Amino acid sequence: GENVEQHPSTLSVQEGDSAVIKCTYSDSASNYFPWYKQELGKGPQLIIDIRSNVGEKKDQRIAVTLNKTAKHFSLHITETQPEDSAVYFCAASPFSGGYNKLIFGAGTRLAVHP
Amino acid sequence: EAGVTQFPSHSVIEKGQTVTLRCDPISGHDNLYWYRRVMGKEIKFLLHFVKESKQDESGMPNNRFLAERTGGTYSTLKVQPAELEDSGVYFCASTLFGGSNIQYFGAGTRLSVL
Repeated sequence: GENVEQHPSTLSVQEGDSAVIKCTYSDSASNYFPWYKQELGKGPQLIIDIRSNVGEKKDQRIAVTLNKTAKHFSLHITETQPEDSAVYFCAASPFSGGYNKLIFGAGTRLAVHP
Repeated sequence: EAGVTQFPSHSVIEKGQTVTLRCDPISGHDNLYWYRRVMGKEIKFLLHFVKESKQDESGMPNNRFLAERTGGTYSTLKVQPAELEDSGVYFCASTLFGGSNIQYFGAGTRLSVL
């Protein structure tokens, strides 16, 4: 079955710096890769996603890149702000016909210091 | 529109007792998923309902766990009898069948088995 590895487990940056979180997956059938942000006391919230027919996607300060050959994808956050502090999860899924069981990485705790 | 809601937010029980978790998906969402995060590890898939039918229960740990979704609306997850290793945060997520594959998560139920 699918296995997702996520690194680093913790990341500390200064406000305004960039943050990069990397994930690798094992199942070449996976074609949908969402990133979730979980703030304290809340559930995971989707912040950006990418499908296997796209190499890069950007939404304001957040971007995701996908390398299908190497089976890895990354989250890039530029100009980090204290409110970006949270736990970030990557996930992979062989989305098909409206059904998409998500396989998650172990999470990255991001701390942005003012 | 109300999001995914889960009850209770926190449950503390003793080993051997029974606990029932409840999830109310977003209205109209046919797909309902249960996940669990144990001790800071990855969020793991437990099972998936399409309406009232179990589509995939490959992630259920053992027969002490029973999930139901009578009428295809809210779902319950019962643990009986609870063991120490069942402690963790249980998340529920929902999506529209055949629509966008974005999974919307509830805030989770933190289960502590003492």
